[in-house]
Amino acid sequence: QQQVKQSPQSLIVQKGGISIINCAYENTAFDYFPWYQQFPGKGPALLIAIRPDVSEKKEGRFTISFNKSAKQFSLHIMDSQPGDSATYFCAASIRGGYSTLTFGKGTMLLVSP
Amino acid sequence: NAGVTQTPKFQVLKTGQSMTLQCAQDMNHNSMYWYRQDPGMGLRLIYYSASEGTTDKGEVPNGYNVSRLNKREFSLRLESAAPSQTSVYFCASSDRGGQGAYEQYFGPGTRLTVT
Repeated sequence: QQQVKQSPQSLIVQKGGISIINCAYENTAFDYFPWYQQFPGKGPALLIAIRPDVSEKKEGRFTISFNKSAKQFSLHIMDSQPGDSATYFCAASIRGGYSTLTFGKGTMLLVSP
Repeated sequence: NAGVTQTPKFQVLKTGQSMTLQCAQDMNHNSMYWYRQDPGMGLRLIYYSASEGTTDKGEVPNGYNVSRLNKREFSLRLESAAPSQTSVYFCASSDRGGQGAYEQYFGPGTRLTVT
């Protein structure tokens, strides 16, 4: 049973546009929600993360929006650039103690020039 | 600081052969992980080691074994490779970060093909 569902599977956005990737989770015990970015031939790297006590977190052009009641969170990339073309993974885990990350299946983003 | 290193980068095996994927980290992290990445399947956890001396199964452990050799090194062994194990394998490490969150740092991956 997939605990973190990610959509869309792939996304094409024009340069300067807004890219939006959505994730939904089932386990209400999750309380840490990171997004990872992966370029071709490289390992994933942490991009931005949010805790459920805030509804939004912004770092530069990247924003996470979080809706606890709907058990959904999303990544918005403003002013998308060709250099943002990558695969993006959402994930969830339980902070404190020890917990592994549960990843979504990934979204391949292509930003056209 | 090299971060997380993996060897080899590429490997081709024949069905039934065995091999060990090596992983090392120089960040003094307690926890280490092995994932496999397949198209459309995301990252799936094979095994992890919460701390030196412990290992636990992840989502897809069948056909694999692991060894936490010391705090730095965590190896993944395929005893009898099968075509279904053709994948890209990533090692990662982490430690308790701010407010209990565990940021995972990934290696560059090993691309394995089993024919």
